[in-house]
Amino acid sequence: QVQLQESGPGLVEPSETLSLTCNVSGGSISSYYWSWIRQPPGEGLEWIGSVYYSGSTNYNPSLKSRVTISVDTSKNQFSLNLNSVTTADTAVYYCSRTNGEYSYADSWGPGTLVTVSS
Amino acid sequence: AIRITQSPSSLSASTGDRVTITCRASQGISSYLAWYQQKPGKAPNLLIYDASTLQSGVPSRFSGSGSGTDFALTISCLQSEDFATYYCQQYYGYPHTFGQGTELEIK
Repeated sequence: QVQLQESGPGLVEPSETLSLTCNVSGGSISSYYWSWIRQPPGEGLEWIGSVYYSGSTNYNPSLKSRVTISVDTSKNQFSLNLNSVTTADTAVYYCSRTNGEYSYADSWGPGTLVTVSS
Repeated sequence: AIRITQSPSSLSASTGDRVTITCRASQGISSYLAWYQQKPGKAPNLLIYDASTLQSGVPSRFSGSGSGTDFALTISCLQSEDFATYYCQQYYGYPHTFGQGTELEIK
């Protein structure tokens, strides 16, 4: 049973870069797509983007200019960088495993709250 | 981007009731739709994928239907643990958009 765990700073200052890592255990990062999804407090879910183990990516156009998702197969982890953050980026950030390029998220990390504030 | 309109936004029901939540896509998405359940403070949990396939371990009182633009999640006999928020998600096109969510509350 694959397990995912997000890690990174819980507080980021406005205009800085939000950086999170998702560690994958109990299975290989190879042969799957891996996604980031976020949820502002009290709101719904927003798909941020995904990365294949080969490194190819897909991003939400609403965030594309600020987002980079990368994968490190040697460490069995993938990462999210979101630059020029504002308070609107305050959210719980989830990492997930996707069963294919056009597929659903079948495993999720518990999520990590990132607050953007000075 | 494909827009997903989910309804209702909230729903009150009693244990034992049958409830249905719907999602409508702004364009045809074949059967590329999933349903998730989310409880407070927890990550979403996959219930149904490909519109009607039950994820392993999910009780059979949950069922999904639809294709093209109109989809439904039905819970046939509500149990206490089913009171939660439900989301649909399309994965036919990027970005993989979600519905706005349906909060299922105890009447």
